[in-house]
Amino acid sequence: DTGVSQDPRHKITKRGQNVTFRCDPISEHNRLYWYRQTLGQGPEFLTYFQNEAQLEKSRLLSDRFSAERPKGSFSTLEIQRTEQGDSAMYLCASSLGSSFSGANVLTFGAGSRLTVL
Amino acid sequence: GQNIDQPTEMTATEGAIVQINCTYQTSGFNGLFWYQQHAGEAPTFLSYNVLDGLEEKGRFSSFLSRSKGYSYLLLKELQMKDSASYLCAVRDSNYQLIWGAGTKLIIKP
Repeated sequence: DTGVSQDPRHKITKRGQNVTFRCDPISEHNRLYWYRQTLGQGPEFLTYFQNEAQLEKSRLLSDRFSAERPKGSFSTLEIQRTEQGDSAMYLCASSLGSSFSGANVLTFGAGSRLTVL
Repeated sequence: GQNIDQPTEMTATEGAIVQINCTYQTSGFNGLFWYQQHAGEAPTFLSYNVLDGLEEKGRFSSFLSRSKGYSYLLLKELQMKDSASYLCAVRDSNYQLIWGAGTKLIIKP
């Protein structure tokens, strides 16, 4: 297993365009998370899936953002009508756990860097 | 509100020891994590504390005091490759990870 993969690594787009990011988690992991990180800040939680079910969404996730995880495998994060404030690193992470007990360590992908001009 | 505080930047010398502090105020506590993040790369897991005390893992150790809302990450025998940001994160009562802004550690020869 090659870990968590994200694609594309870099995306430059013009304001108002739609963008989509893909995340392939570690195959045996049932949980998948999306975070956003800007320079000099820690990751900000966006949303979380357990298998194919989207269990939680941050209030940061406006209606322009949508995430899916069909069949509980890979996930996509789409941003519609991008704004300059959407420029950030979008991180995907996955973990294995049947409950919230224990460490439930997140394994992160390398991220998809979005620049909105 | 929920808050994680870490120093923004620290500088240390190769071969020395450095302690990175983290204080937190969260709604509940279900564990504290330290992650390392090199510039432009993904955060990678370093340590997890849920009970008070010291957890040692090679050159890295992490300490937790739940009553004080305090943790530190201790790095010994510093190497140039340890230059990175170190992120403290607390899992709150909703099992949500609350992240600090990270401490940028600069190692000088």
